[in-house]
Amino acid sequence: DAGITQSPRHKVTETGTPVTLRCHQTENHRYMYWYRQDPGHGLRLIHYSYGVKDTDKGEVSDGYSVSRSKTEDFLLTLESATSSQTSVYFCAIETGTGGMDEQYFGPGTRLTVT
Amino acid sequence: GQNIDQPTEMTATEGAIVQINCTYQTSGFNGLFWYQQHAGEAPTFLSYNVLDGLEEKGRFSSFLSRSKGYSYLLLKELQMKDSASYLCAVRDSSGYSTLTFGKGTMLLVSP
Repeated sequence: DAGITQSPRHKVTETGTPVTLRCHQTENHRYMYWYRQDPGHGLRLIHYSYGVKDTDKGEVSDGYSVSRSKTEDFLLTLESATSSQTSVYFCAIETGTGGMDEQYFGPGTRLTVT
Repeated sequence: GQNIDQPTEMTATEGAIVQINCTYQTSGFNGLFWYQQHAGEAPTFLSYNVLDGLEEKGRFSSFLSRSKGYSYLLLKELQMKDSASYLCAVRDSSGYSTLTFGKGTMLLVSP
């Protein structure tokens, strides 16, 4: 157990509304990631962070923003949710210090945009 | 960029051995990971290969050939609980290296 929690675990929202998903870790790991998982696409990286206030874009970052003001929290925001953002969102942390180790995943957030 | 291929589905019988293949084409390589994911759950880490050869961990083994861009995950003495999706992921060699995942192989183990 890498001490990762995600909230909320399930959310239904309407098109055009803002949504923020939270990832919280208890072990002060430097690297954190947000992925989305969709049938036929597998896991795809949205954004990642390599320290407080240090973030970068992944493969599918359009329509998403992130913030990391504290080591333990990594927030993913959908500024104006669209139906194409209906997905399962996973947060992950990396246990090493050099960005070269395995990643451990949180339990996921199932988001439905209607 | 990265391109990772795995079979979509495989079936096997309880007690048997199954090999799940993964081929990759990458602009840089810094390790290959295997994850297991049961339906409705998060992926869990199984194994990591960065050098050529076989890594064994209980009933699970993973093999890597960097020159061929090829890996496999070998599952022995299959159990019903091994029914899951198996994800191959490659780490590139850029500065803040990230993982690129294949689409996963759904393994169904039958009695």
